[in-house]
Amino acid sequence: DAGVTQSPTHLIKTRGQQVTLRCSPKSGHDTVSWYQQALGQGPQFIFQYYEEEERQRGNFPDRFSGHQFPNYSSELNVNALLLGDSALYLCASSLLQYEQYFGPGTRLTVT
Amino acid sequence: QKEVEQNSGPLSVPEGAIASLNCTYSDRVSQSFFWYRQYSGKSPELIMSIYSNGDKEDGRFTAQLNKASQYVSLLIRDSQPSDSATYLCAVKSFGNEKLTFGTGTRLTIIP
Repeated sequence: DAGVTQSPTHLIKTRGQQVTLRCSPKSGHDTVSWYQQALGQGPQFIFQYYEEEERQRGNFPDRFSGHQFPNYSSELNVNALLLGDSALYLCASSLLQYEQYFGPGTRLTVT
Repeated sequence: QKEVEQNSGPLSVPEGAIASLNCTYSDRVSQSFFWYRQYSGKSPELIMSIYSNGDKEDGRFTAQLNKASQYVSLLIRDSQPSDSATYLCAVKSFGNEKLTFGTGTRLTIIP
């Protein structure tokens, strides 16, 4: 049973560039949530997707956008990267509103 | 006041002893409570969920919830060096899809 997968593992971008991160949920899960985790902090909720629609959004600017595909996989897009966007980006999948299981994360470094 | 508070530690516990991790939350309508373990450089791993007052045991782990005191704890019995990690407390409120995390408690088990 495959768990949550994310790609890429690591990414280095330059300030002002755009980035796309990808997530495939655990088999049987239909809901994907994205979180940003800065060093030494707990994960912060970005948004959640269900049935290909954004169900809820956290306190992140419009530079952060997402998408969910019919196969439940999801993308997180960040435009106009800032140095402060450097973090571990985590995807979590769940079946409806039940327990959320995290993928391995994507480490984004903005220089 | 932070929504979810944890003592950042580090908490040092001798091998074989009981490790006690604590978490308080501010939102009285919180319904679901989770403990995640995060090893350095890795993503959070769900180890316990609890939804009603009282104790819930799973192997060496016991989660305790007291909604009146807005307090949730995690006990680890017979602590092992492999338990050394950061433990994140997460809370989910009614009508809210996001998990709100504390900053985590760093636990070190001393052989």
